[in-house]
Parts: sequence; C-alpha cells; structure tokens
Amino acid sequence: AQSVTQLGSHVSVSEGALVLLRCNYSSSVPPYLFWYVQYPNQGLQLLLKYTTGATLVKGINGFEAEFKKSETSFHLTKPSAHMSDAAEYFCAVSDNGNQFYFGTGTSLTVIP
Amino acid sequence: DSGVTQTPKHLITATGQRVTLRCSPRSGDLSVYWYQQSLDQGLQFLIQYYNGEERAKGNILERFSAQQFPDLHSELNLSSLELGDSALYFCASSTQQGLTDTQYFGPGTRLTVL
Repeated sequence: AQSVTQLGSHVSVSEGALVLLRCNYSSSVPPYLFWYVQYPNQGLQLLLKYTTGATLVKGINGFEAEFKKSETSFHLTKPSAHMSDAAEYFCAVSDNGNQFYFGTGTSLTVIP
Repeated sequence: DSGVTQTPKHLITATGQRVTLRCSPRSGDLSVYWYQQSLDQGLQFLIQYYNGEERAKGNILERFSAQQFPDLHSELNLSSLELGDSALYFCASSTQQGLTDTQYFGPGTRLTVL
C-alpha cells in the first residue's frame, strides 16, 4: 500500500525566506509524485509532478521539488517566499496510475 | 478559473437523504475525477471516469455512486447520508485517461449533513 507523510502541518516563514515543505512516501513500485496547492475556498491546483526522467522538477510560481529515491522523499522548495504563497500544500503519490494517495497537508504562513 | 464547474456550491441536507452533485469538465476533457475533502479523512480520491467508462476507483463507499454521461458531464450520487459524509467534494477533469495527467479542479460542493 502507498502512503504519504507530510512533516509539519503548519510552517511559517518570513517573506523572502526559503520555503521547504517536506514529503515522504512509501511505494512498492516506482511512484508518480505530485504537489498541489489549495488557496482558501478554492479547489486544488497542480504545482508540479514527477513521473519519469529528471529528478529535479520545476513547477509554477517558482516552486521546485526533487525526487530522492534513496530517501523516499519529494520535498517542495522555493528560494524566496512571497505573501501570495500562503496556502495549503498537499503532496500526493500514485502507484501505477490507478490510485491517488494524499498527505494530510501543510499550511504555509508567510510573515511580512 | 479552471474551466471546471460544479453545482451546487453548497448543499445542506439531513441524515438518511440522497443528493446528487454535478460536474461539468473543461471543454475537450474526457476524464472526470471525484474527490472528498473532510476534516476527519483529509483528501481522498473517490473515482475516475474516462469517456463514460469507469477508469479507476479509490475509497468510494458503496452508498456512493457516480456516472459520466455522453456529454461528458458527471454526477456523484450520495445516498443514506450520514453525519460523517459532510465534506467538500471536488471534481477535476483532464484530457487523458491516466491519473498522472494534469488535472484541473473545480471549486467544489460543500455538503453539510445535519
């Protein structure tokens, strides 16, 4: 069975500081990995995804994530936080494309 | 605006009742996905349809059912409702049938069961 663990349900960073949101997964097969963002009262929006190929994935809004198989991790980073980045972030894993498993989410607060 | 529409925005009903949630995918998208987001269970994938056929199934209860119609809109039917079914139900759509295809989410339907 697959699972996703997001360490830290709440993360606060200062505007301009590095954003690091952690995601670890368990998967019995090579996984497909995703990061989604959810702004208040809205649906989810795909930030980036890893399927195959390059392990460093660049997404929208300056975010990127690196797939590290040895660490079973897919942490999300952004060099400089912006106030508009304040939102809920979800990591998700799909095994063979037949199921989706989401983490419990990390709420990001950006302090001016 | 993702281009995915969901109706109604809010729904309040009583335990034991049945409701239908509707989703219209983006123009040209053949896949529709349903998700449930609740405080207790978090975000869960329920089911996917591709061009009218069930493609993938997640943690969908037997009391719940879905279908996709020839015009590609989809409906999620929830019956014998319980308090724990109160949640935000999202629909998403994509062009292809694989779960790894980029999905575009609607704004959701908030269901409250009293």
